[in-house]
Amino acid sequence: QVQLVESGGGVVQPGRSLRLSCAASGFSFSSYSMHWIRQAPGKGLEWVAVISYDGGNKYYADTVKGRFTISRDNSQNTLYLQMNSLREEDTAMYFCARGGVSGETYGPGNYNKYWGQGTLVTVSS
Amino acid sequence: EIVMTQSPATLSVSPGERATLSCRASQSVSSNLAWYQQKPGQAPRLVIYGASTRATGIPARFSGSGSGTEFTLSISSLQSEDFAIYYCQQYNNWLLTFGGGTKVEIK
Repeated sequence: QVQLVESGGGVVQPGRSLRLSCAASGFSFSSYSMHWIRQAPGKGLEWVAVISYDGGNKYYADTVKGRFTISRDNSQNTLYLQMNSLREEDTAMYFCARGGVSGETYGPGNYNKYWGQGTLVTVSS
Repeated sequence: EIVMTQSPATLSVSPGERATLSCRASQSVSSNLAWYQQKPGQAPRLVIYGASTRATGIPARFSGSGSGTEFTLSISSLQSEDFAIYYCQQYNNWLLTFGGGTKVEIK
């Protein structure tokens, strides 16, 4: 069965960095786009970033552009989120989620059928 | 950015009654609209995709409708396990966006 397992969260001071990982199994990881989506405590869902199946296309929310970098290692079935210059407003549960198969990262088929359980990032001095 | 607006923010419904949730997009998203259910401490669960197709394992009491800018999620006879927060999401644009959520609570 499909599994997505996030790791790497923790408590970090403002301005510092953190790298999240998402280990995927149970499907052909290299065929799917992958997303990071976050949820601040008690708040709604906020899309963060997406990477195409081959890593050739990456898109970011304005709130993280220039600070976060999404990447993937298809040989290791792993998705990453490098988070630099962290701010208190980045405090959230971070979920990885599977996107659509090959092609574009949006449009038909690009809903998030599978999600991990999330990893909590707390930015605080 | 396509803004997704959900209403109402909270819906109080008695078990066995019908619930109707609305989602409006600031511009057309065609049928590239999904609904997710989230319970406390859990990851979101896909309920509907393509505006009207039930995801695997979702009971037939859940139905979605709409296209363009106006969408509806209906739950025909609420069961105890259906009380949760529901989010709509558009995936028509590279910048995916979610609505603010509708909390379905027990009346």
